[in-house]
Amino acid sequence: AQSVTQLDSHVSVSEGTPVLLRCNYSSSYSPSLFWYVQHPNKGLQLLLKYTSAATLVKGINGFEAEFKKSETSFHLTKPSAHMSDAAEYFCVVRGRAGKSTFGDGTTLTVKP
Amino acid sequence: ETGVTQSPTHLIKTRGQQVTLRCSSQSGHNTVSWYQQALGQGPQFIFQYYREEENGRGNFPPRFSGLQFPNYSSELNVNALELDDSALYLCASSFIPNRVYGDTQYFGPGTRLTVL
Repeated sequence: AQSVTQLDSHVSVSEGTPVLLRCNYSSSYSPSLFWYVQHPNKGLQLLLKYTSAATLVKGINGFEAEFKKSETSFHLTKPSAHMSDAAEYFCVVRGRAGKSTFGDGTTLTVKP
Repeated sequence: ETGVTQSPTHLIKTRGQQVTLRCSSQSGHNTVSWYQQALGQGPQFIFQYYREEENGRGNFPPRFSGLQFPNYSSELNVNALELDDSALYLCASSFIPNRVYGDTQYFGPGTRLTVL
């Protein structure tokens, strides 16, 4: 069994300040973990993925995430928010037989 | 752009009807998965097809069925539509070397289905 909990349904930051989106997971297997972003009326875009290599994963647009097995966490961060980062973010755990389990999403608002 | 395409973009049906949604995988991919995303929620896994066979299924009733063709394109069929089937339907393609290995999925833009 696998599950994902995104700890914040909404996060609001000011432009230029750091972003932290929190994700905890559970999995019976060594998981593959992903973060996707979804802009309004758009499909899902892959930000980054963890697949048991380096625990600090760098993604596109300045985002990165750190896999912490002891805390079963995979939090997404960015040093400085940009207006274009405003979107819905999904943490995903991918197990066997193709099943990806999505969190409920975090809406990121960036204030000017 | 991921190279995964879906058709149609939008669709309106009435309760009890049947619908077919189509997905064209990214070149070189052998696996396609379908997800249902209700408004304000994360996508829910419907099923995955690997080399034309179902390779995993989520908690969806049998009236949700699918096909994968030799060119790795895919269809999602939903019979006896219900109001709760209104959602964005996403397909995602990936390449996996064997049945149980998970790899990165690339998503299409989705089909918005409205059931009246």
